[in-house]
Amino acid sequence: NAGVTQTPKFQVLKTGQSMTLQCAQDMNHEYMSWYRQDPGMGLRLIHYSVGAGITDQGEVPNGYNVSRSTTEDFPLRLLSAAPSQTSVYFCASSLDGLSGNTIYFGEGSWLTVV
Amino acid sequence: GNSVTQMEGPVTLSEEAFLTINCTYTATGYPSLFWYVQYPGEGLQLLLKATKADDKGSNKGFEATYRKETTSFHLEKGSVQVSDSAVYFCALRGTQGGSEKLVFGKGTKLTVNP
Repeated sequence: NAGVTQTPKFQVLKTGQSMTLQCAQDMNHEYMSWYRQDPGMGLRLIHYSVGAGITDQGEVPNGYNVSRSTTEDFPLRLLSAAPSQTSVYFCASSLDGLSGNTIYFGEGSWLTVV
Repeated sequence: GNSVTQMEGPVTLSEEAFLTINCTYTATGYPSLFWYVQYPGEGLQLLLKATKADDKGSNKGFEATYRKETTSFHLEKGSVQVSDSAVYFCALRGTQGGSEKLVFGKGTKLTVNP
């Protein structure tokens, strides 16, 4: 059972570079979301999707884009990386809502922007 | 808006000690409450939950009781083990329209020494 798979696990970017964090789930979940985790800040919601073709902004969406062309995939794009985007990123999916009774998290992607 | 406040860490205990991690919340209506655990290098996992007042969630020896009168959901374990070393997050899911997303506390790092 793969669950929620994130890639890459570690990445170092230079300021201004672009990249995409990949997220895939094989549980046929409609709801997917991206969080960032910063020291002393807990997890903050970046973007979320309630189904293929539908996305919306979370608490901290600036500097990030998302798309949901399939149920399985929910990539997060950084168009022009900034040091403030140095963080750990978690993708999550759920069958019964954004914060459903069972929400599955990926293992995280550690991003450093220099 | 909804918010969660957790006790500041880090917390360091000896094996078999009693653990309490305080969590209080602010929310309208009757939120559901959760504790998530994040082991080193991994994503978050649901530890336990409670969906209404006076409910007690329990799992792996951990317990937390939903106390509406004190707006609290403190995590307890009678005898911690080294394997319990992790970061613990308290979270809530609101019940009002537009507030159904998970709101996380800042996390409390627990280290258990042999």
